[in-house]
Amino acid sequence: LAKTTQPISMDSYEGQEVNITCSHNNIATNDYITWYQQFPSQGPRFIIQGYKTKVTNEVASLFIPADRKSSTLSLPRVSLSDTAVYYCLVGDGYSGAGSYQLTFGKGTKLSVIP
Amino acid sequence: NAGVTQTPKFRVLKTGQSMTLLCAQDMNHEYMYWYRQDPGMGLRLIHYSVGEGTTAKGEVPDGYNVSRLKKQNFLLGLESAAPSQTSVYFCASSSALQRGNTGELFFGEGSRLTVL
Repeated sequence: LAKTTQPISMDSYEGQEVNITCSHNNIATNDYITWYQQFPSQGPRFIIQGYKTKVTNEVASLFIPADRKSSTLSLPRVSLSDTAVYYCLVGDGYSGAGSYQLTFGKGTKLSVIP
Repeated sequence: NAGVTQTPKFRVLKTGQSMTLLCAQDMNHEYMYWYRQDPGMGLRLIHYSVGEGTTAKGEVPDGYNVSRLKKQNFLLGLESAAPSQTSVYFCASSSALQRGNTGELFFGEGSRLTVL
């Protein structure tokens, strides 16, 4: 199970681009990288997923370097409504012998300032 | 399309009481999960199920039991509630796992449980 490290918190002004980096040095060959967003009192919501290089959808971009030991979630022109906690997950949580431990870490708390 | 529905949304228990949380999904997903989230913390996996009739332990299974008698439902039970089980509980579902890829997890809105 690849362990991930993210900054605990980040602040940004409205309209700016925000980049949140996740480190996952022991990522396995088959592992995908997935990002989720969680608003207070709600369940996490899928944002984007990728395996290598760059992935873009209507809300975010995900940049993955060639060594795949880190990934960066990019949110263009953030607004107040992007204030949330962002989680980086790597792999499927498989911990051996048919066991899964798909645990979300503490994530990165993004605060968007007017 | 309701997605993942959790009931009840709020519950207050006294120490030693029992209760069951129900999770229902209408996406025909194989995998279902129960998480707990404590204030300022991430989500920790309690139990999960890879299909009807099967369940398995996650990271923090003690004090909880689960059942998956129907593919669309995943029940989480507390036999004897303790204050340490005060938390927000989230259910999630996904289509079949691939090695290295969970696919997209769909979460419910959460169930807030307080044990006095």
